Amino acid sequence: EDQVTQSPEALRLQEGESSSLNCSYTVSGLRGLFWYRQDPGKGPEFLFTLYSAGEEKEKERLKATLTKKESFLHITAPKPEDSATYLCAVQANTGNQFYFGTGTSLTVIP
Amino acid sequence: DVKVTQSSRYLVKRTGEKVFLECVQDMDHENMFWYRQDPGLGLRLIYFSYDVKMKEKGDIPEGYSVSREKKERFSLILESASTNQTSMYLCASTPLGMGKKLFFGSGTQLSVL
Repeated sequence: EDQVTQSPEALRLQEGESSSLNCSYTVSGLRGLFWYRQDPGKGPEFLFTLYSAGEEKEKERLKATLTKKESFLHITAPKPEDSATYLCAVQANTGNQFYFGTGTSLTVIP
Repeated sequence: DVKVTQSSRYLVKRTGEKVFLECVQDMDHENMFWYRQDPGLGLRLIYFSYDVKMKEKGDIPEGYSVSREKKERFSLILESASTNQTSMYLCASTPLGMGKKLFFGSGTQLSVL
């Protein structure tokens, strides 16, 4: 069964304290892995797509990496405005559906 | 700027009412999706559509129906709203082809009293 697990559920960081969020997945053939950011009461906002093991993408303080079993979202020197819930989703070769993790709630304290 | 627009940000309805949630996208996308999002459960797929008048059940279709009469519009219908349908509802779309990202609307927070 295709599934996605994110950890930790919640993370509190001091401003400038770098860390990583994890997304473990089990799919029968990965078509794409997606990272989104979601602010309270709003729809998810797209961050990255990764397609194959070894691929990396960067945007400002965020860097996403992918292996055959998991993806990491690395946050370097975070700022309070990085506080949000980060969602991971995968799409398998078997169909159009996307499978989402339950997200990591990140709080960056000034 | 490309957009997925959901008709209401907040909605309060009574138990037993018929509820319509509307979603419009301006990107000429073939695929459209309806999710609900609940704390601790993540996003769960209710229905999706890959073409006009076509629909597929997702993981939790019970109590819901959908309509796609035009390519740009995908409506979610709660036939008889119940309190356990209180949730955040998210509409999304993607173009044809695999590995394409979802574009989300801003969500509708529905409360059923």
